[in-house]
Amino acid sequence: QVQLVESGGGVVQPGRSLRLSCAASGFTFSGYGIHWVRQAPGKGLEWVTIIWYDGSQKYYTDSVKGRFTISRDNSKNMVYLQMNSLRAEDTAMYYCVREDLRHLDQWGQGTLVSVSS
Amino acid sequence: DVQMTQSPSSLSASIGDRVTITCRASQGIRNDLGWYQQKPGKAPKRLIYGASSLQSGVPSRFSGSGSGTEFTLTISSLQPEDFATYYCLQHNSYPTLTFGGGTKVEIK
Repeated sequence: QVQLVESGGGVVQPGRSLRLSCAASGFTFSGYGIHWVRQAPGKGLEWVTIIWYDGSQKYYTDSVKGRFTISRDNSKNMVYLQMNSLRAEDTAMYYCVREDLRHLDQWGQGTLVSVSS
Repeated sequence: DVQMTQSPSSLSASIGDRVTITCRASQGIRNDLGWYQQKPGKAPKRLIYGASSLQSGVPSRFSGSGSGTEFTLTISSLQPEDFATYYCLQHNSYPTLTFGGGTKVEIK
């Protein structure tokens, strides 16, 4: 079955960096775009970024542009989110999500990022 | 940017009630909308895609309707396992996406 497993979350000081990973299995990974969606504690869902199936295109929400970078390794069925210059407002659960024809259809369980001094 | 306004932000209902949640888009988005259910501590789960198509395995008491700027998620007869938070998501502005603010469905 389709599985997306996030890792790499933790507690980090403002201004520091963190890299999240998403391990995919159970489907032809190289055929699907992957998104990251985040949810601050007690808040709603916020779309963060997408990488196309082949890594050729990447898009970001305005608040993370220039600080976050999404990448993927189709040989390893992995997606990464490099987060630099972290801010308190980046504190959230980060979900890796598969896209199917522009719809978000399969979600990972999430990894928690806490930015605090 | 497309903004999604979801209402109400919360509601209280009883088992067996009919529940309706609405999402309004700031501009026409055709039927490029999905509905998601999220239970506490869990990842969201897709219920509806293409505004009205039921995700496989989702009970038929869930239905979606609408096109353009106004969309509705209806639960025809609320069950105990339906108490959760519901979100709409538009992908008309793909590749950027926008969620509604969420509706928390609580037990009356």
